[in-house]
Amino acid sequence: GEDVEQSLFLSVREGDSSVINCTYTDSSSTYLYWYKQEPGAGLQLLTYIFSNMDMKQDQRLTVLLNKKDKHLSLRIADTQTGDSAIYFCAEWRDSNYQLIWGAGTKLIIKP
Amino acid sequence: NAGVMQNPRHLVRRRGQEARLRCSPMKGHSHVYWYRQLPEEGLKFMVYLQKENIIDESGMPKERFSAEFPKEGPSILRIQQVVRGDSAAYFCASSPAQRGSSGEQYFGPGTRLTVT
Repeated sequence: GEDVEQSLFLSVREGDSSVINCTYTDSSSTYLYWYKQEPGAGLQLLTYIFSNMDMKQDQRLTVLLNKKDKHLSLRIADTQTGDSAIYFCAEWRDSNYQLIWGAGTKLIIKP
Repeated sequence: NAGVMQNPRHLVRRRGQEARLRCSPMKGHSHVYWYRQLPEEGLKFMVYLQKENIIDESGMPKERFSAEFPKEGPSILRIQQVVRGDSAAYFCASSPAQRGSSGEQYFGPGTRLTVT
């Protein structure tokens, strides 16, 4: 299985908040990232959090990090149709200088 | 300032042919990474290159796959004698900094390879 785990799908109503969860395995990971992939497109860096932080907010996006449980979440406030995409969580491992990726969560917006 | 560029966006090859995928990093970036994405899966690291050097190819299959990043021109990922299992999206990313400092990478739109 994947070292970084995410649910494959999340369905929310337009205007509600979306919370996408991720668990990772390497407690020494220094950076944790969220990327967004729209259909047929490449990956767009959305936000990241350094491992000594537990929260980071950027407009409608809030990242929460629970280092003890190795749990990361991305909250999108007031979800819009333009937020429909696949969201990837990735951890940066200093040990081998690699980004390790989850399989992605497909966010589906209901009208 | 153009982002990371990849071409072609779509590539169809018959089994046994060669596939060449190109990547031009963002201006000022000298670090390039190649990833493969299979349907419903995350990205798998293949290779990390700097100009004229392969730094880490631990994710690259030993046979048929090769990569280069010459002093001039784009980075090339080459797949010889393609098989159906090579069908995937191949993404290139570039970074402005030493790889050891963080994982911040900027991605191209990908090349979708279909082997028939």
